[in-house]
Amino acid sequence: DTGVSQDPRHKITKRGQNVTFRCDPISEHNRLYWYRQTLGQGPEFLTYFQNEAQLEKSRLLSDRFSAERPKGSFSTLEIQRTEQGDSAMYLCASSPPDRDGWRNYEQYFGPGTRLTVT
Amino acid sequence: KNEVEQSPQNLTAQEGEFITINCSYSVGISALHWLQQHPGGGIVSLFMLSSGKKKHGRLIATINIQEKHSSLHITASHPRDSAVYICAVVAKGGGADGLTFGKGTHLIIQP
Repeated sequence: DTGVSQDPRHKITKRGQNVTFRCDPISEHNRLYWYRQTLGQGPEFLTYFQNEAQLEKSRLLSDRFSAERPKGSFSTLEIQRTEQGDSAMYLCASSPPDRDGWRNYEQYFGPGTRLTVT
Repeated sequence: KNEVEQSPQNLTAQEGEFITINCSYSVGISALHWLQQHPGGGIVSLFMLSSGKKKHGRLIATINIQEKHSSLHITASHPRDSAVYICAVVAKGGGADGLTFGKGTHLIIQP
């Protein structure tokens, strides 16, 4: 399977614990996005990487959230001291490089990690 | 007010009916996506548009940039089309190209 993969698919944790999610983008996709989706709502943008550089973070991303993409391939999203409000589906997407100077706006989504904080 | 508004929020129809889902947005965009999400969460990209019209099988997507409006049509709807359909835009001028999403339209096609 050469699509975007995320691990784990489900995570149940107790309030106050730290959790880490992993996203493996499609090979050679240089742009990677994290989104969060709460029940009944559309996803919301969290952060964006181009290669290993984190170029944008949403104001939704509090100090308890940190994301990395150390070698420009896979990415991790860590939530420290989880709160019940962090319960959501965390989605990762990747985009191919630009072609012939044209920006490529396609995004390919992973299956998501569903986090439940009890 | 959300930058991306979809209507209707919920739609139940009979198998075979022609379905239209609408999306209006308030910002200048570089591209608009129509996405499909089944229970369990996985999101599949159906179309990406920056102008005109695209067709794939029974699905048709149109966009009017001047009116800031897009529609997704499903012809000869089938129960397997039941899903949440989400409109999302890439706002112009933003360097990240992160998507801004509508809340989705929950479609149920009854046999």
